[in-house]
Amino acid sequence: TQLLEQSPQFLSIQEGENLTVYCNSSSVFSSLQWYRQEPGEGPVLLVTVVTGGEVKKLKRLTFQFGDARKDSSLHITAAQPGDTGLYLCAGESEETSGSRLTFGEGTQLTVNP
Amino acid sequence: NAGVMQNPRHLVRRRGQEARLRCSPMKGHSHVYWYRQLPEEGLKFMVYLQKENIIDESGMPKERFSAEFPKEGPSILRIQQVVRGDSAAYFCASSLNRDGEQYFGPGTRLTVT
Repeated sequence: TQLLEQSPQFLSIQEGENLTVYCNSSSVFSSLQWYRQEPGEGPVLLVTVVTGGEVKKLKRLTFQFGDARKDSSLHITAAQPGDTGLYLCAGESEETSGSRLTFGEGTQLTVNP
Repeated sequence: NAGVMQNPRHLVRRRGQEARLRCSPMKGHSHVYWYRQLPEEGLKFMVYLQKENIIDESGMPKERFSAEFPKEGPSILRIQQVVRGDSAAYFCASSLNRDGEQYFGPGTRLTVT
């Protein structure tokens, strides 16, 4: 069973601080997505990375895909209260046929004003 | 709003009743995925369908659960004889093609009393 482990599980920081969330696996993923989920809503796609070593930036968010395509990180610069939410990594494993996503259990981020 | 639509948003069923969850994919998308999010757990893949075909149902419980995506109309996830353990949030996602990015609907929260 492919497993994506996210860390930390919970993160509470002050506005203006930087943070990094990690997503690790022993499996190789052909692509990896980061989603953000608000309470009572579905996950919203933030970014997709597909190439080992790839770095993508989305305003204050920087996403990195590991060279071996087994891990990824999300870095937020100068966090704001609006960044509060559940951040999920999800990947499409090379070992499985079809297009199912394997999800990590999420990082619950709270940014305090 | 051309996003993924799910209804109902909330569904309450007594043990033994049937639950029908509907999902209309984004316009132009013909690939639909169902995921389940149990309390305090991450999202787990259930089934992947294309119009009129089940492509991958490896995540579906063997009994009581079925899914379809007819030529016309929404995809349906059907749960027969519901039990308390079926209480969860059920999310539908759609993609443009087999390996495309998956966009999620707002979910249906099923409560079995």
